[in-house]
Amino acid sequence: QVQLVQSGAEVKKPGASVKVSCKASGYTFTGYYMHWVRQAPGQGLEWMGWINPNSGGTNYAQKFQGRVTMTRDTSISTAYMELSRLRSDDTAVYYCAREVERQLAYWGQGTLVTVSS
Amino acid sequence: NFMLTQPHSVSESPGKTVTISCTRSSGSIASNYVQWYQQRPGSSPTTVIYEDNQRPSGVPDRFSGSIDSSSNSASLTISGLKTEDEADYYCQSYDSSSYWVFGGGTKLTVL
Repeated sequence: QVQLVQSGAEVKKPGASVKVSCKASGYTFTGYYMHWVRQAPGQGLEWMGWINPNSGGTNYAQKFQGRVTMTRDTSISTAYMELSRLRSDDTAVYYCAREVERQLAYWGQGTLVTVSS
Repeated sequence: NFMLTQPHSVSESPGKTVTISCTRSSGSIASNYVQWYQQRPGSSPTTVIYEDNQRPSGVPDRFSGSIDSSSNSASLTISGLKTEDEADYYCQSYDSSSYWVFGGGTKLTVL
């Protein structure tokens, strides 16, 4: 069965960077785009971008361009999302989600990133 | 980029039917598929409708989706409401540059 297992919660100071991992299993990792979506406390879902695990190609939401980097390591079927220059309003649960036919059919469990001085 | 606008909240009684709207700000709603996700508190979202009106396996046929080009909006309709349907619902679509957008979410209360 498809599983996306994310790394654990992080606490970071403003200005720092965070790197969240998403280990995939149960399918061919390079066969499906991986998206990253975040959700601030009590707020809605916000799309951050996607990575094509086969080519490494990426597409980022304008809001995060210049601050986000999505990468992958195909040898261990893991996708990564790194967000830099963190601010307090980056405090959120960050999800990876696998695309299937233009829907996010499989989601990780979420990683809480807290930005606080 | 476009926006997707949803009502903040809706409420209805068990057994009734509720419809949640999702209006696209620019570009045609029909030009790119719309998906709907359900999110219960403390859980990751799950798909209830994809490609405007398709239900994933396991989603009951009480859930249906549609689009209306005249209002440039999509709708999620849930009939025969059950208390277990109480959740947040998000619409999602994308544009020709493969930028994805989520609606702001609608809190459904079944009372």
